[in-house]
Amino acid sequence: GESVGLHLPTLSVQEGDNSIINCAYSNSASDYFIWYKQESGKGPQFIIDIRSNMDKRQGQRVTVLLNKTVKHLSLQIAATQPGDSAVYFCAENSGYSTLTFGKGTMLLVSP
Amino acid sequence: DTEVTQTPKHLVMGMTNKKSLKCEQHMGHRAMYWYKQKAKKPPELMFVYSYEKLSINESVPSRFSPECPNSSLLNLHLHALQPEDSALYLCASSQDPGARGNGYTFGSGTRLTVV
Repeated sequence: GESVGLHLPTLSVQEGDNSIINCAYSNSASDYFIWYKQESGKGPQFIIDIRSNMDKRQGQRVTVLLNKTVKHLSLQIAATQPGDSAVYFCAENSGYSTLTFGKGTMLLVSP
Repeated sequence: DTEVTQTPKHLVMGMTNKKSLKCEQHMGHRAMYWYKQKAKKPPELMFVYSYEKLSINESVPSRFSPECPNSSLLNLHLHALQPEDSALYLCASSQDPGARGNGYTFGSGTRLTVV
């Protein structure tokens, strides 16, 4: 969902569950998308990226899906662990443009 | 060295103070960035330095003054700030200004509180 005011969308899961975090983007010209993880007191950390000529890319325990028709990006985390608890941001840049972040989602993983 | 180092980690300043935030990287990156991040919000771009020259200023108020003394250092000089300027200030670098997001390295930020 959309964040309003001071409230971040929050996803609460149990350890071992699979997590899905969603992101909508607005720029049809964007050709490159990234997911970042930001832990408390730290800067954003790169997780995985995907180019617009792909619809799926897999990493270690993470998968990014891109649906260009509806301008939607998702991050799937398999077997979520307490260490995955953080705020997750999608971001995009196109050509030589700078990085633009989308709204974040807080992931809370309980043991 | 694959890090971006920011100092100080925390800063409390009065509205009449002058202070500076510092950022350093030794990866040979030629683009450096300042982002501002309010609580529960995404980082927002403030400034971009490309080959030590200011290339982008996102209409940032003049009470924020960036400086790039050399290719490894980036400063943000602060003067006459307002309480609403309280935020996490993030520095980032990339190999060049056209880098994709996977080429950005972020520092841990300076948590600024203006009183």
